[in-house]
Amino acid sequence: DVKVTQSSRYLVKRTGEKVFLECVQDMDHENMFWYRQDPGLGLRLIYFSYDVKMKEKGDIPEGYSVSREKKERFSLILESASTNQTSMYLCASRGQGRTYEQYFGPGTRLTVT
Amino acid sequence: QQQVKQSPQSLIVQKGGISIINCAYENTAFDYFPWYQQFPGKGPALLIAIRPDVSEKKEGRFTISFNKSAKQFSLHIMDSQPGDSATYFCAARDVGNQFYFGTGTSLTVIP
Repeated sequence: DVKVTQSSRYLVKRTGEKVFLECVQDMDHENMFWYRQDPGLGLRLIYFSYDVKMKEKGDIPEGYSVSREKKERFSLILESASTNQTSMYLCASRGQGRTYEQYFGPGTRLTVT
Repeated sequence: QQQVKQSPQSLIVQKGGISIINCAYENTAFDYFPWYQQFPGKGPALLIAIRPDVSEKKEGRFTISFNKSAKQFSLHIMDSQPGDSATYFCAARDVGNQFYFGTGTSLTVIP
């Protein structure tokens, strides 16, 4: 059974803190993604990675960075959290090629105060 | 710029009724159109998907209607049930294998 897990379901951080969100997939997928989900805006792509140590900017990368040291793990980093980064963060993974579907984790609800 | 436009933002339907959610796109290079269902506290999960070479796909009570010339596709939920209450996202995939999502529709089915 396909599984994408995220390290925290809920997280509360203070403005200026460095925040790490972790995502792990057990499907040996090459591609991994970080989205943020906001009401009325849907899912917006922050960063994605198509291989270990590779990363590409998505639509809204400002204020975020990522790390992929192992194939199964993709981390999203907020270097200095701000209140406008309060959101639901979703990780997803997908195999290589056009026959593969995208699988999502359960999400991390981040609140920055 | 929203690549995939979804409407309505929210929908309330009586049990047993038909729920209809619409999406429109501009990029004719999109070649795969999935719908995702998301329950509170969960990530989106693939519900049903269609490719542009067919006009309709049905899986149980869920049907996608696809109009290539109008660049529109819609999700129909027949005999809607309270358990269908969720947020639904349409999406489209481009030739670069990138997915673009609609803004979501919150469906409430009342008993």
